Parts: sequence; C-alpha cells; structure tokens
Amino acid sequence: DVKVTQSSRYLVKRTGEKVFLECVQDMDHENMFWYRQDPGLGLRLIYFSYDVKMKEKGDIPEGYSVSREKKERFSLILESASTNQTSMYLCASSPSGFGYTFGSGTRLTVV
Amino acid sequence: KNEVEQSPQNLTAQEGEFITINCSYSVGISALHWLQQHPGGGIVSLFMLSSGKKKHGRLIATINIQEKHSSLHITASHPRDSAVYICAVMAGAQKLVFGQGTRLTINP
Repeated sequence: DVKVTQSSRYLVKRTGEKVFLECVQDMDHENMFWYRQDPGLGLRLIYFSYDVKMKEKGDIPEGYSVSREKKERFSLILESASTNQTSMYLCASSPSGFGYTFGSGTRLTVV
Repeated sequence: KNEVEQSPQNLTAQEGEFITINCSYSVGISALHWLQQHPGGGIVSLFMLSSGKKKHGRLIATINIQEKHSSLHITASHPRDSAVYICAVMAGAQKLVFGQGTRLTINP
C-alpha cells in the first residue's frame, strides 16, 4: 500500500525553536508538497518540490524553508517558530501527472 | 471571491439520506479532486475527475466542465460518513486549489 508518512502526529515546541517536520513517501513520486490547514482558511500551500534539490514557493512561504536532498523525503523547516505557526501541517506527493496522496498530518503547537 | 466554492458549508442529515455536496470553480482546470478528512485525521483522496462521472461504493462524483461545477453524492448515508469533504482543483503546475470544505454530520 502506497504511503506518505509524516514523522510526528503531534508536536509542541517553544517560541524561537527551530522545528523540522519530516515527510517520506514510498511511491517514487516526483512532486511533494507542504500545506497548512487552519479553521476558516482551508488548506494553503507553503512550498512544493518537483525534483530533488528543487523547490518552489507556494502561497504562504514566509517563515518557512524546505529541503529535498533525496527523492523520497521532503522536510519543512520553521527557522524560528512563532505562535502564529500553530497549525495542522499536511504533506502530499504526486507523480508527474495526476493523483495525490496525503499524509496523516502533524498538529504543531507553538507555545 | 474564492476560486473554489463549496456548498453547503455544513450539512446535518439522518442516516440513510441521500447527500449532495456541490463545488463550483472559476478557473480552467485539468482535474478536480474530492477529498475526505475525518476529525483529527489526515486526508484521503476519494476521486479524481477530469470529465463525466465516477462511482465507488456509495459515493458518486460528477463533473460538468462547461458549467465549472462538480457534485459529490453519498447514497444511503451512514454515521461513519461524517467527515469534512473538500473539493480541490488542479489549475496548473501540479498545484491544487482547495475549497473551504463541507462538514457533514450523519446522525443515527
């Protein structure tokens, strides 16, 4: 069964900490995405990557960076976590074409 | 105005009822997705459509490209169908544009 795995289901971090959210897919997909989901705002794209070492800004990249050193792994980095980054973070992958597979999400709380 | 609009935002129904959730979009698309999200859970892709109609069990999805409209139907609804249903369109460059979601509650 194909999978997108996010390393943590729940995470609590302090303001100012550097936070890493990891996402791994086992489907050899070219494209990987990071979204955040907030009540009333829906899902918003933070960053995406269409190949190893390639990245593109999404709609809300401020305060985030990403890393894709291997095809199967796409990391989201919060350089200095702030309370307004408290959210549900969802990773997804897709092949070059159609069809998305989503991870289970990481609920991040920044205190 | 959002590029993808869903209606209704919230829907409560009794077990067994026929459910319809609507999605309208204002951009040209290459495909449309219907997604399901259970409380606290991740997102599951139910359908991907570029034309016509698809059926999976009690779920049916239709799309009218000319009218820029899609519907998700659930027949013989069950409490386990309670979830948020999200419409998302692929408007280019592999990026999805999401609707706000429809929260469905099915009471026994």
